[in-house]
Amino acid sequence: KQEVTQIPAALSVPEGENLVLNCSFTDSAIYNLQWFRQDPGKGLTSLLLIQSSQREQTSGRLNASLDKSSGRSTLYIAASQPGDSATYLCAVPSSGNTPLVFGKGTRLSVIA
Amino acid sequence: EADIYQTPRYLVIGTGKKITLECSQTMGHDKMYWYQQDPGMELHLIHYSYGVNSTEKGDLSSESTVSRIRTEHFPLTLESARPSHTSQYLCASNGDSYNEQFFGPGTRLTVL
Repeated sequence: KQEVTQIPAALSVPEGENLVLNCSFTDSAIYNLQWFRQDPGKGLTSLLLIQSSQREQTSGRLNASLDKSSGRSTLYIAASQPGDSATYLCAVPSSGNTPLVFGKGTRLSVIA
Repeated sequence: EADIYQTPRYLVIGTGKKITLECSQTMGHDKMYWYQQDPGMELHLIHYSYGVNSTEKGDLSSESTVSRIRTEHFPLTLESARPSHTSQYLCASNGDSYNEQFFGPGTRLTVL
């Protein structure tokens, strides 16, 4: 059964710092991996989707990498801003054509 | 751009009432999902559907029921609401396992 772990559970950084959020998964036979952002009391916003054949995806100040063989993904946020404060979740399909399995998320606070 | 809608956004209701939470998407996605999330806690999959007339229960046992009569519509019903049903309910959809999953804004339900 697929399990997803995110480290750290919470992170507080000063504005302007570059930071890395980590995600690991137990079953490397995945179709893709998706990173989401969730603001308090809101739905999830898709940030990046990495297909299994890709190594990384970039969107603005965000860069996500995928290493299937080691079961790991990282989300790199450059030049962090207070507006980046949110919970970040990664998710992978459980196996084949099945619903996403989510990590518990990393709660990020960027201090001005 | 993802177009997935949930109504109502907020609902406060008394114990014993029957309620239906609406979810619709205009992207023609076959796959739709309902998640339950308590404040600050992880997401739990409660129902999903891979097409019309197809519904499955998720990982978290729920007293709710769902139906999928039309591709774009995936309502969730609670026959008799209880205070333990107080939570946020999130609807999501995606086209297939290779595609991004998109979330609606959520319905925050409070049962008194």
